[in-house]
Amino acid sequence: GQQLNQSPQSMFIQEGEDVSMNCTSSSIFNTWLWYKQDPGEGPVLLIALYKAGELTSNGRLTAQFGITRKDSFLNISASIPSDVGIYFCAGPDRGSTLGRLYFGRGTQLTVWP
Amino acid sequence: DGGITQSPKYLFRKEGQNVTLSCEQNLNHDAMYWYRQDPGQGLRLIYYSQIVNDFQKGDIAEGYSVSREKKESFPLTVTSAQKNPTAFYLCASSIQGSDSPLHFGNGTRLTVT
Repeated sequence: GQQLNQSPQSMFIQEGEDVSMNCTSSSIFNTWLWYKQDPGEGPVLLIALYKAGELTSNGRLTAQFGITRKDSFLNISASIPSDVGIYFCAGPDRGSTLGRLYFGRGTQLTVWP
Repeated sequence: DGGITQSPKYLFRKEGQNVTLSCEQNLNHDAMYWYRQDPGQGLRLIYYSQIVNDFQKGDIAEGYSVSREKKESFPLTVTSAQKNPTAFYLCASSIQGSDSPLHFGNGTRLTVT
């Protein structure tokens, strides 16, 4: 299967700080998705990117689809305590007509008040 | 409201027993999936189904079985052959197509002792 390398694995930040995480793959992706998982819950889609170079915002979140199509970045500005959770990048298997996704291992974010 | 319902939220079983996890969706999605989540491992695909009465193995299908008799339902059975069944199990669905984001349920935490 495809490998998605997500970093950092974990982050401990102060409330109000900005956060940046990224995801790289060994092959080209046509779609990048970013999910957030609250403790004990299922992941929720934050942002979907469909075009190389695309920059999309959702409130304090901004994600970019890398020009090479092998990477993506997620930034969170002015973090707040409810940003705590695990953030996953994901991309579909290009060889499949099904929406089968490959996931990174996640970035665990902790925000100190 | 449309969504995916997983039940129960917590499940406890003795080693050697089979156990079935429920997943129901009312989103009218064609595709459904089961993922397993372990700490630091990300999400690993167990089984997926594109249409009723059809399903395919994912990356870690050994020790699991599924059925898809109805569009809305995709139950997962964890059999006694699964060596390390204790985990968080997530069900998801999507509209058919490789760019379709997944919608997740809130998961079932299975503990086998």
